[in-house]
Amino acid sequence: AQTVTQSQPEMSVQEAETVTLSCTYDTSESDYYLFWYKQPPSRQMILVIRQEAYKQQNATENRFSVNFQKAAKSFSLKISDSQLGDAAMYFCAYRSPRGEGNLIFGKGTKLSVKP
Amino acid sequence: NAGVTQTPKFQVLKTGQSMTLQCAQDMNHEYMSWYRQDPGMGLRLIHYSVGAGITDQGEVPNGYNVSRSTTEDFPLRLLSAAPSQTSVYFCASSYSMFEVGGHNEQFFGPGTRLTVL
Repeated sequence: AQTVTQSQPEMSVQEAETVTLSCTYDTSESDYYLFWYKQPPSRQMILVIRQEAYKQQNATENRFSVNFQKAAKSFSLKISDSQLGDAAMYFCAYRSPRGEGNLIFGKGTKLSVKP
Repeated sequence: NAGVTQTPKFQVLKTGQSMTLQCAQDMNHEYMSWYRQDPGMGLRLIHYSVGAGITDQGEVPNGYNVSRSTTEDFPLRLLSAAPSQTSVYFCASSYSMFEVGGHNEQFFGPGTRLTVL
């Protein structure tokens, strides 16, 4: 079974600086999808960025980018120019192209942004 | 589009009571699912459905029942509430259970916070 591990329960960053959130996963599949979701205090789950395992190029969405290392099974999220609105729980998630179609989540990292 | 809607937002139950958490989507999505979120545990799959009339169990199905009579609705029933079911419940939907052309985002509802006393 696939597992997702986020080893940093909490992180803190100064406004306008850069922070990297870590995620590792375990799978025997060669084809899969990885995601980062943001959950602000409102509880809403918001998709931040996605990565297809077959793509070597790292995904980028504005200030958010990933460092996808397939051999190392690592999928970190970099937030540049951090803003107060980035403060939230961040979840890394894995989705198999087979099976139940569900997302397998890590336990999350709580990000605080200091003004 | 309203997206994925859930009612109620908050609910308090007594042990042994039953209730139904409602979930609806207006995006004509085939795949719908229920997750629960507990502190320090991330989100875990309870039940899912790949289309009207088809449901299956996820990782933590005990104590919950689902049905899918229409494409739009996917209610979650708690048969006899227990304190261990105190959690935040999320409904999610996507076009398909499979990634289609790399565009199969799962959309989440706003969640229901349930407390069982």
